[in-house]
Amino acid sequence: DAGVTQSPTHLIKTRGQHVTLRCSPISGHKSVSWYQQVLGQGPQFIFQYYEKEERGRGNFPDRFSARQFPNYSSELNVNALLLGDSALYLCASSSDRPFDSGYTFGSGTRLTVV
Amino acid sequence: AQSVTQLGSHVSVSEGALVLLRCNYSSSVPPYLFWYVQYPNQGLQLLLKYTSAATLVKGINGFEAEFKKSETSFHLTKPSAHMSDAAEYFCAVTSVRMNYGGSQGNLIFGKGTKLSVKP
Repeated sequence: DAGVTQSPTHLIKTRGQHVTLRCSPISGHKSVSWYQQVLGQGPQFIFQYYEKEERGRGNFPDRFSARQFPNYSSELNVNALLLGDSALYLCASSSDRPFDSGYTFGSGTRLTVV
Repeated sequence: AQSVTQLGSHVSVSEGALVLLRCNYSSSVPPYLFWYVQYPNQGLQLLLKYTSAATLVKGINGFEAEFKKSETSFHLTKPSAHMSDAAEYFCAVTSVRMNYGGSQGNLIFGKGTKLSVKP
């Protein structure tokens, strides 16, 4: 079975540009969460979606937005990129019972803003 | 509010020695606790989780952790380190948010501990 897949794996953008990151969850998982991991830090929660509805939002500016599609895949969008947005963006999927199955992470998208 | 503190940003052990990575949590509700491992340029891999069943939790690759409520700790141990254990380890806490259609919660991570293993 395929795990959590994220695309692209690496991305270089210029300040002020827009970026879209994509995530496909494990088959059967209805929840997708997004995390930002700045170099040398632990991941920080950005968004959680379940059944296409936003279920949680971390302390990130409105430049960050996300959505979940009917097939449970998800997009994370970041507008007006800043140098500080450079990070590894991780997607995690979970089943209806995340405390039985755990949260499964993808390999991430490495975003560099220049 | 919940938080996680990992003591020691960098731990170095010799191959074959005991591995002890410390994690203390703060939570006003019963916590669920996780340990993840991250190898260079990769995502996070679940090592083990505590979800209010047994307090001693066994995970993959010979790791285990013990939930101690009185000490608000969830330290990760392995009796004998292997070179392949060199990686960064993250402790995370969450609680259940009961919503219609299922229970969900977001993870709050510590800053991580980088484990080095010397030959």
